[in-house]
Amino acid sequence: GAGVSQTPSNKVTEKGKYVELRCDPISGHTALYWYRQSLGQGPEFLIYFQGTGAADDSGLPNDRFFAVRPEGSVSTLKIQRTERGDSAVYLCASSNELANGELFFGEGSRLTVL
Amino acid sequence: GDSVTQMEGPVTLSEEAFLTINCTYTATGYPSLFWYVQYPGEGLQLLLKATKADDKGSNKGFEATYRKETTSFHLEKGSVQVSDSAVYFCALRSGGANSKLTFGKGITLSVRP
Repeated sequence: GAGVSQTPSNKVTEKGKYVELRCDPISGHTALYWYRQSLGQGPEFLIYFQGTGAADDSGLPNDRFFAVRPEGSVSTLKIQRTERGDSAVYLCASSNELANGELFFGEGSRLTVL
Repeated sequence: GDSVTQMEGPVTLSEEAFLTINCTYTATGYPSLFWYVQYPGEGLQLLLKATKADDKGSNKGFEATYRKETTSFHLEKGSVQVSDSAVYFCALRSGGANSKLTFGKGITLSVRP
């Protein structure tokens, strides 16, 4: 596709449930990033992949959060035992060496935990 | 650790007014600096960047100069338009070429006709 695609655009779930959020990066982009944005705040870094491997996962808040990118393209962010505090917009971005450091963002997945 | 501080918002201006949005940073080494913009209903997109001290980034009439002595990267535009209404985020990267960006809180700009 032309841009970064994220699904679902909106997800409402109940406390304690498991959630998966998907990111489809720009074709050929080797770097993929997940961020979380709460209301009135800037994007908060979660994890960054270079190819299939997590190059930096220092932003994952706890072991309920996990992300994979098995084939170096699509990535899935997985949240177990969701809590109300997990409610936020989850942003995905991709990049590559030709982009000169620019990150291309998707429109985000809005997660609401009731 | 790295951090970005933006001035408190929101900011409301009349069309053709002069805009300054302040941004200061704390980082190890010599980071690259960015301004991202989020228009209503759209994803974040890069507005401009500067990769070393005294560099000036510019795009769409916006400018920002990398000031190492004051650790600042203030965004300016001489004459804002209604279409500039958006949320503006200052960001830095202090690691390698594809390392993470650290963002400020963002500021909402509203421009009235």
